[in-house]
Amino acid sequence: GNSVTQMEGPVTLSEEAFLTINCTYTATGYPSLFWYVQYPGEGLQLLLKATKADDKGSNKGFEATYRKETTSFHLEKGSVQVSDSAVYFCALSGSIQGAQKLVFGQGTRLTINP
Amino acid sequence: DAGITQSPRHKVTETGTPVTLRCHQTENHRYMYWYRQDPGHGLRLIHYSYGVKDTDKGEVSDGYSVSRSKTEDFLLTLESATSSQTSVYFCAIRDTTRHEQYFGPGTRLTVT
Repeated sequence: GNSVTQMEGPVTLSEEAFLTINCTYTATGYPSLFWYVQYPGEGLQLLLKATKADDKGSNKGFEATYRKETTSFHLEKGSVQVSDSAVYFCALSGSIQGAQKLVFGQGTRLTINP
Repeated sequence: DAGITQSPRHKVTETGTPVTLRCHQTENHRYMYWYRQDPGHGLRLIHYSYGVKDTDKGEVSDGYSVSRSKTEDFLLTLESATSSQTSVYFCAIRDTTRHEQYFGPGTRLTVT
């Protein structure tokens, strides 16, 4: 079945550091890939997505490229801020009967120190 | 803001009692979902709905039932709560135009 594996956290960085959170997946067919972010005490917010191979999703300075050859969708940001501290989830979608059933990675907690 | 509310936001209940969580949406989306979030597991799909009275199981459906009698409401019921159902429960809707899911604020359930 479909699965997503994220790098284990927690990850702690200093402000303005470069961020990479690794995500690899196993899936049949051609899934869509997503990154969600969860700030403390809140629900998940969609950060970015990519729907086909070689697509790059981007939002708020974050980027991720859908790499089919390595089955990866790593999240990157060139210069992180304290406000980026949150839990990040990689997810993929498979569809049955038109439903978009998301499969999530375990989440990576990111802390940015000033 | 996808117009999703969940109630209650927090609940403490005893083992063996029934519990119903409510998800309400204001934008007439066809697809609705219930997930649970547990440390080390990310989010896992419990049940989903693809229309009024149309529901199906997700990967962790044992011990849960759902109902959808109108488009805007999707109910999750724990018939007899167990401590293993202590979790944070999230409802989501699917925007079929954008092929994206949007999540509600969550319900933290503690079963003692």
